[in-house]
Amino acid sequence: AQKVTQAQTEISVVEKEDVTLDCVYETRDTTYYLFWYKQPPSGELVFLIRRNSFDEQNEISGRYSWNFQKSTSSFNFTITASQVVDSAVYFCALSEEGAGGTSYGKLTFGQGTILTVHP
Amino acid sequence: GAGVSQTPSNKVTEKGKYVELRCDPISGHTALYWYRQSLGQGPEFLIYFQGTGAADDSGLPNDRFFAVRPEGSVSTLKIQRTERGDSAVYLCASSLGGEMRGDQETQYFGPGTRLLVL
Repeated sequence: AQKVTQAQTEISVVEKEDVTLDCVYETRDTTYYLFWYKQPPSGELVFLIRRNSFDEQNEISGRYSWNFQKSTSSFNFTITASQVVDSAVYFCALSEEGAGGTSYGKLTFGQGTILTVHP
Repeated sequence: GAGVSQTPSNKVTEKGKYVELRCDPISGHTALYWYRQSLGQGPEFLIYFQGTGAADDSGLPNDRFFAVRPEGSVSTLKIQRTERGDSAVYLCASSLGGEMRGDQETQYFGPGTRLLVL
């Protein structure tokens, strides 16, 4: 069965600090997808990134970067020079490819990490 | 374009009552998902539709929960004989869907319906 663990329940930083959110996953599939979502106080889940299991290249998007390492089953998320607007709950999620090679997107989420950025 | 919409945004009901929660997916999205998020937890999968059919309902907690998508667009999640433990935020997501290998799509979420059972 698939599982996602976000060991950090809460993180508090001061603005402009860098912060890394950890995500460790478990899956038996060789083809799978990893996601990060942001849930601000308004409650709506906002998609940040999708990565498939065959692509281990790190990715950078502005102040956000992601480090995918299959060897350690981790998909960590770093925010550089954090801002107050980054305060939110961040979820890591995993989906496996369906049987017979069909796509199937049931997401398994971690418990989330509450990030608070203080001015 | 419009995102996923859900109505009502809030629903308060009494224990034992019946409720319906509605989800309007993004136009053209064939895949639709329902999740439930309890306070302080990540969303948990309930059911997945590909078109009109429920491709996977393994996440529905019991037979009081049922969902339909009769025309392959709007979906309704129905909860009978509500219990206090059903109180949660019910999230709907949609994606383009597809049956080709490697065609995994990103799911886009609606704002959720906050259900409170008194």
